[in-house]
Amino acid sequence: RKEVEQDPGPFNVPEGATVAFNCTYSNSASQSFFWYRQDCRKEPKLLMSVYSSGNEDGRFTAQLNRASQYISLLIRDSKLSDSATYLCVVNQAGTALIFGKGTTLSVSS
Amino acid sequence: DAGVIQSPRHEVTEMGQEVTLRCKPISGHNSLFWYRQTMMRGLELLIYFNNNVPIDDSGMPEDRFSAKMPNASFSTLKIQPSEPRDSAVYFCASSPRTGGGEKLFFGSGTQLSVL
Repeated sequence: RKEVEQDPGPFNVPEGATVAFNCTYSNSASQSFFWYRQDCRKEPKLLMSVYSSGNEDGRFTAQLNRASQYISLLIRDSKLSDSATYLCVVNQAGTALIFGKGTTLSVSS
Repeated sequence: DAGVIQSPRHEVTEMGQEVTLRCKPISGHNSLFWYRQTMMRGLELLIYFNNNVPIDDSGMPEDRFSAKMPNASFSTLKIQPSEPRDSAVYFCASSPRTGGGEKLFFGSGTQLSVL
């Protein structure tokens, strides 16, 4: 079983839609959680950290459920520029980040 | 401020040849990571250095792969001999934090094609 699992998609949505991505992780010792964004043929970049209480950054909301080992990302009012692959990322203290395979989002006009 | 610098950007080689990928981390960062990305397997950690010392090399596929970090400003990933299944994008990343966390910065990657 892979450590971090995501639905690969693609998710095809119109501009203005709300879309949610889910992610599960297998290691209960995981301590830190993140969403990274990767544009086509580019390197991954940090989108946002995920905190236990949930957190919001503009149109983006991240949630963590430690009991279910589940992380989510909600994007409201989707823009064309949101089209990318979203990578769910976890790690334990002192270890390297473990990446999911990513969920592809395509926003169309 | 220069980011993580990788070279070459693209490498095309024939099976059996030696391939060397290079990385210059961001100055002041004490952690360096090599990842490999393919469609099938996603982004996989190959090796992780902290203060130039390899901490976790469990992701290195086999003896054909080796990585070095002779000083804080330079690292290499070598594949010898290369095989077609090694074709992938190889990313180097650095961080001022042990493990990376939200302070992980990636280079632009090396697209490797082994024919």
